[in-house]
Amino acid sequence: RKEVEQDPGPFNVPEGATVAFNCTYSNSASQSFFWYRQDCRKEPKLLMSVYSSGNEDGRFTAQLNRASQYISLLIRDSKLSDSATYLCVVNIQGGSYIPTFGRGTSLIVHP
Amino acid sequence: DVKVTQSSRYLVKRTGEKVFLECVQDMDHENMFWYRQDPGLGLRLIYFSYDVKMKEKGDIPEGYSVSREKKERFSLILESASTNQTSMYLCASSLNIYEQYFGPGTRLTVT
Repeated sequence: RKEVEQDPGPFNVPEGATVAFNCTYSNSASQSFFWYRQDCRKEPKLLMSVYSSGNEDGRFTAQLNRASQYISLLIRDSKLSDSATYLCVVNIQGGSYIPTFGRGTSLIVHP
Repeated sequence: DVKVTQSSRYLVKRTGEKVFLECVQDMDHENMFWYRQDPGLGLRLIYFSYDVKMKEKGDIPEGYSVSREKKERFSLILESASTNQTSMYLCASSLNIYEQYFGPGTRLTVT
């Protein structure tokens, strides 16, 4: 069983919609959490970190639920340019911090 | 801006060849990572390094080795390339346990 699970989608939504993705993790030693965005044929780039208190950056809101071991990403007022794959990343502490990526959730925003 | 460069965007090698993939970062980051990305499997960590001459195995180290002789350079070596190593290879670096900066990737085809 993979340690970080995401629904691969695709999530197909119209412009202006609100869409939410979840990501579950199995290792309770997980220490830090992130959302990355990857455009087609491009490298992943950090979208936002996920803090225990939650955080918001414009139309994007990330939440962490340690008790249920999941993180979420909410996108409001979707734009065509939001179409991408969203990767959940969990840093698991062993002897050092080991980043583990989910397989990604594909989002398609259509006119 | 952090820059992570990889030696080739596209590479075609024959089965049994020794393959070197080079990665260079220009921001004095301690941490460097090699991943491979395959459809449906997401990004999987091959090896990582938290210091010069230091390396640790990731999730799928079999068939690979690495070298970190200088802080800015992290090399991935395929001792004897096989067709199941055909993939997109992504290098990343980070200053701490947080944001990873990725290179553009090398698409390796082994025939």
